[in-house]
Amino acid sequence: QMQLQESGPGLVKPSQTLSLTCTVSGDSMSSGSYHWNWIRQSAGKGLEWIGRISTSGRTDYNPSLKSRVIISLDTSKNQFSLDLSSVIVADTAVYYCAREWNLLPFDVFDIWGQGKVVTVSS
Amino acid sequence: EIVLTQSPGTLSLSPGERATLSCRASQRIDSDSLAWYQQKPGQAPRLLIYGASKRATGIPDRFSGSGSGAVFTLALSRLEPEDFAVYYCQQFDTLPFTFGGGTKVEIK
Repeated sequence: QMQLQESGPGLVKPSQTLSLTCTVSGDSMSSGSYHWNWIRQSAGKGLEWIGRISTSGRTDYNPSLKSRVIISLDTSKNQFSLDLSSVIVADTAVYYCAREWNLLPFDVFDIWGQGKVVTVSS
Repeated sequence: EIVLTQSPGTLSLSPGERATLSCRASQRIDSDSLAWYQQKPGQAPRLLIYGASKRATGIPDRFSGSGSGAVFTLALSRLEPEDFAVYYCQQFDTLPFTFGGGTKVEIK
């Protein structure tokens, strides 16, 4: 059974870059028709989709964050990563990685990481 | 972007009662693109329903989804103690993917 696990710093200073990695275990990231997503949850904005990357490396980003986000993929390590630059206090949230299974005609976020609490503070 | 509005914000019910949760989209969406998730404190969301009405693997049949166009419903036929949680709808119809604000089902 595939599992996802987020890792990275739990505290980031304002104006710096938030960097998280999601490690996929139990199967290869390329074993099916998947996209690999980042989603965050804050008290103020609820659940917010940040963006995704396909196994071929194509990315889609939320326009509200697009200027600050980069999602990348390393299939050799079975990992994908999130970089969010120029962070502000409002970027404080629980960050989740999630598998999007393209089960045509359906899509589902069927596997989630446990979440990583990230606080932006000086 | 497509805005999903969930109602009510909080539902206070007793075990054994029926719960009906609503999700309204700001525009029509393909029902194949609507999902529901359950979230308990300290946990990630869990997929319950996809394609508006299809239960995910392992989800008991007391959970059911329905709807089309811009109005969707999640029903819990008989609340069990483990069903008290927050429920979110979410759409895959149009990027950016969006979530509703959630409905909290609490013990009365």
